[in-house]
Amino acid sequence: EVQLVESGGDLVQPGGSLRLSCAASGFTFRNYEMNWVRQAPGKGLEWVSHINTGGSTIYYADPVRGRFTISRDNAKNSLYLQMNSLRGEDTAVYYCASGYSSSWVDYWGRGTLVTVSS
Amino acid sequence: SYELTQPPSVSVSPGQTASITCSGDRLGNKYASWYQQRPGQSPVLVIYQDYRRPSGIPERFSGSNSGNTATLTISGTQALDEADYYCQAWDTSMVFGGGTKLAVL
Repeated sequence: EVQLVESGGDLVQPGGSLRLSCAASGFTFRNYEMNWVRQAPGKGLEWVSHINTGGSTIYYADPVRGRFTISRDNAKNSLYLQMNSLRGEDTAVYYCASGYSSSWVDYWGRGTLVTVSS
Repeated sequence: SYELTQPPSVSVSPGQTASITCSGDRLGNKYASWYQQRPGQSPVLVIYQDYRRPSGIPERFSGSNSGNTATLTISGTQALDEADYYCQAWDTSMVFGGGTKLAVL
């Protein structure tokens, strides 16, 4: 069974940092492209960042470029998102999402909640 | 940046056919995917590569993509199909539509 389990979400003050992790199991992690997608309360899905299978190609959405860093460890079947200079508008559930192709997402985790507030 | 536009809401009677559209510039030249999200749950892929259904997705879900519009069609709509539906494409980045709330009335 495919599982993506996110962790690391928390309440953090504006300007603070958090590191999200995603533990993958049930599929060959190193063969899958990975994404972080977020959803603000009551809002739609917003793509955040993408990393290819080997970690050599990375993309970011404009609102997070320069503040967030995506990475992966294929030996540990894990995906990460380092989030710095957090803002109120970053408040959302963050989903770890995998895709055999960059064009779509096959599997989604349950998400981890990040709340940015003083 | 690339944008995908969906109607905010669509209503359908049980057993009828629901169609949800997704519009984007030359969307037909890209692969369109669709996700279902029930309240309080994570999204689930229901259509990828315009019309392909993942394993476990009922045959009543189908998709098409041509010109500037992709369409998700749900035939014989059931109460359990009531959910938010999001289209998605890859341009120079992953792009989601704003979502459509499907009401089965």
